[in-house]
Amino acid sequence: GIQVEQSPPDLILQEGANSTLRCNFSDSVNNLQWFHQNPWGQLINLFYIPSGTKQNGRLSATTVATERYSLLYISSSQTTDSGVYFCAVFPGGSEKLVFGKGTKLTVNP
Amino acid sequence: DTAVSQTPKYLVTQMGNDKSIKCEQNLGHDTMYWYKQDSKKFLKIMFSYNNKELIINETVPNRFSPKSPDKAHLNLHINSLELGDSAVYFCASSQVRTEAFFGQGTRLTVV
Repeated sequence: GIQVEQSPPDLILQEGANSTLRCNFSDSVNNLQWFHQNPWGQLINLFYIPSGTKQNGRLSATTVATERYSLLYISSSQTTDSGVYFCAVFPGGSEKLVFGKGTKLTVNP
Repeated sequence: DTAVSQTPKYLVTQMGNDKSIKCEQNLGHDTMYWYKQDSKKFLKIMFSYNNKELIINETVPNRFSPKSPDKAHLNLHINSLELGDSAVYFCASSQVRTEAFFGQGTRLTVV
């Protein structure tokens, strides 16, 4: 089956810093999503981004489907950005949303 | 107005008991899912239903039985609970292979 790899696994930042999270996938995909799991456990949709670039406030994401990767940029990080960031994909022709193992982000004040 | 809601949020029960988790979505989606998140935060699919029909069953023990009375509801019944069943269970919905939305999770603790 498809492999979804996220890097780095852990990231510690000072408030105000910028960061880039990466998601690589081993096969063609129908779509790609980024989620934020906050410290209370909620999975929050950040981006639905099968290809191209999207921005939402301090966050933006870029997916290059032909090269099988996606990037999530967080600028001017805040303590509320802490949590785990997941990338998830629907492999081509599959009904199964496959998750990466996540990047745990800690933003210190 | 919650899009995907699941109940209960917390469930503590003894080994051997039977329990159910309910899920409802008001997004008009055709596909619903159950995911299990283990202690290492890994999210793995258990089941997927499309228009009330089971389309994915990921080698889950048959103590776990999903039921979809209509396309807006997908419940999960677990028989003879074991310690290893302790986890967070998430319900989700989407249209076919498009953006998925998740419920708030049910933290199941088996003691």
